[in-house]
Amino acid sequence: DAKTTQPTSMDCAEGRAANLPCNHSTISGNEYVYWYRQIHSQGPQYIIHGLKNNETNEMASLIITEDRKSSTLILPHATLRDTAVYYCIVRVAYSGGSNYKLTFGKGTLLTVNP
Amino acid sequence: DTEVTQTPKHLVMGMTNKKSLKCEQHMGHRAMYWYKQKAKKPPELMFVYSYEKLSINESVPSRFSPECPNSSLLNLHLHALQPEDSALYLCASSQARLVRGNEQYFGPGTRLTVT
Repeated sequence: DAKTTQPTSMDCAEGRAANLPCNHSTISGNEYVYWYRQIHSQGPQYIIHGLKNNETNEMASLIITEDRKSSTLILPHATLRDTAVYYCIVRVAYSGGSNYKLTFGKGTLLTVNP
Repeated sequence: DTEVTQTPKHLVMGMTNKKSLKCEQHMGHRAMYWYKQKAKKPPELMFVYSYEKLSINESVPSRFSPECPNSSLLNLHLHALQPEDSALYLCASSQARLVRGNEQYFGPGTRLTVT
């Protein structure tokens, strides 16, 4: 799986958009970009994933650059409950063997301030 | 129902004890996972079961013994653990077929302390 680079920490004001960047310059054509987050002392939570096109769901939007070497997770109106470690992961999405693996990096600690 | 449940929430055990962690899901997922997470570190994969068969063992010491008795249940049997095994143990599940996604759903974890 391709390696990702994320800032160690970020701050965001409550009610504002939080934009979390991720670099994945070695991503392969068959690798998806996944985002998970982990609120303190809880299990990780799936947020969103995408391959090429931008994606949006009820939690967030994912913007992937045209060359797919970087992406941005957008939380449109951050709340205090969005304070968490956000993990960007790239991985293949076809069946078999080691492709079940989800390798977490260090992630970005997003702190939403009142 | 997108819930993965884990019991117990907290466990304190001595180095000579035998205990088990339990995980359950009712989403029809046929892949289940055990992760270990040390303080201030990301989760690390330990085991993967696919269709109730062990698919991946990330060179985990034999004092950790996984078991998947059926498609909804996953156990982790613990024996002769060391204090450094103290961690948050996370269970997750997903579809076994990786079709455009295969997001994993995690339980809340069991906080294990080995004394």
